Amino acid sequence: DTGVSQDPRHKITKRGQNVTFRCDPISEHNRLYWYRQTLGQGPEFLTYFQNEAQLEKSRLLSDRFSAERPKGSFSTLEIQRTEQGDSAMYLCASSSPDRSGNTIYFGEGSWLTVV
Amino acid sequence: KNQVEQSPQSLIILEGKNCTLQCNYTVSPFSNLRWYKQDTGRGPVSLTIMTFSENTKSNGRYTATLDADTKQSSLHITASQLSDSASYICVVRGSSASKIIFGSGTRLSIRP
Repeated sequence: DTGVSQDPRHKITKRGQNVTFRCDPISEHNRLYWYRQTLGQGPEFLTYFQNEAQLEKSRLLSDRFSAERPKGSFSTLEIQRTEQGDSAMYLCASSSPDRSGNTIYFGEGSWLTVV
Repeated sequence: KNQVEQSPQSLIILEGKNCTLQCNYTVSPFSNLRWYKQDTGRGPVSLTIMTFSENTKSNGRYTATLDADTKQSSLHITASQLSDSASYICVVRGSSASKIIFGSGTRLSIRP
């Protein structure tokens, strides 16, 4: 296992631009999560996939945010018309109850700075 | 409201000393409770996971306890090392993925 990988690790963008983050979960993990974390706070749930189906979505996820997992493997999180308040670390995580006993494995995060 | 509260917010101890971090939660129904270690700028790494029926679980120098009646958990770190400096986050899972609630963490600093 190579772990959960996220790309890019850091992104600086101008307000109003669109950004996309990619997450590659641990292979064969069927569950994938996106979280947002700001300094000094714990991660906040954004959305959850089981295979390719997006089963849950937080009210934090405004219309400018969209996440996909088209083939049930990697996932993308797109933020349109970024705002300064979107600056945060976006964490991806994956799990598989059969293989990891409900342990959620996190990636290293993608830092977004909107200027 | 489902909440996870951690204390203290931050803690500084000398290398070699022990410490205990606290977590109180109101998440219901309860599925499991996890402790994660998060180094600055990195993703959280799982330390322990405990279900309703488990009172204590150890992982090396880390020992977690759970009292499901009082909805409290603690993480005890024995013989602290400089590498233990990190944020420790308590995470409680309720009935669904969106009900995985994270505490704000305890920022632990180990001084030589």
